[in-house]
Amino acid sequence: EAQVTQNPRYLITVTGKKLTVTCSQNMNHEYMSWYRQDPGLGLRQIYYSMNVEVTDKGDVPEGYKVSRKEKRNFPLILESPSPNQTSLYFCASRSSGRTYQETQYFGPGTRLLVL
Amino acid sequence: TQLLEQSPQFLSIQEGENLTVYCNSSSVFSSLQWYRQEPGEGPVLLVTVVTGGEVKKLKRLTFQFGDARKDSSLHITAAQPGDTGLYLCAGVGSPYRGSQGNLIFGKGTKLSVKP
Repeated sequence: EAQVTQNPRYLITVTGKKLTVTCSQNMNHEYMSWYRQDPGLGLRQIYYSMNVEVTDKGDVPEGYKVSRKEKRNFPLILESPSPNQTSLYFCASRSSGRTYQETQYFGPGTRLLVL
Repeated sequence: TQLLEQSPQFLSIQEGENLTVYCNSSSVFSSLQWYRQEPGEGPVLLVTVVTGGEVKKLKRLTFQFGDARKDSSLHITAAQPGDTGLYLCAGVGSPYRGSQGNLIFGKGTKLSVKP
């Protein structure tokens, strides 16, 4: 079954404690991205990756890092989380990101609370 | 900056009623996608419209892309409780952003259909 998986699904942490949210896809997709979803603000892109070792900032990259060492994995790293990073996070993937009609598949989401 | 404005933000209707959700922008998009998101899950792609004036139907859902490719609408006929969810429109970003693959999301329309 084609899918994007994220772990953990729920996470409560404290300010400053480094954390990583993992994302994996089994569709051999080149393009992967991370979003955060906040009430009243909608879905905003944090980082994206067009392929292995190729990453770029989205609209709200401050406070986040990513890496793309393998095609299937795209972890999101919060080096020093702050309360304003409390949000619902989604990982997504699509075939290449270079055409206009690709289906983007989303993971189930990670709900993060930073105290 | 490309923005997508969705309206209405909230919609509560009775089963059997018709409704229309709008997605507007001052920018031209290469294509536009509509997603549906249920609580606790990631968005799921419903349709992609590419050509100005294009109309696509998915059972009781009708999607239209404006002639100038700046706006789109989603019309649901005879809504059912199973249609309840968050509906998101997303425009495929223009090439000047450096990637043709990035999606720009509207803030969503939260639809509730009561039996």
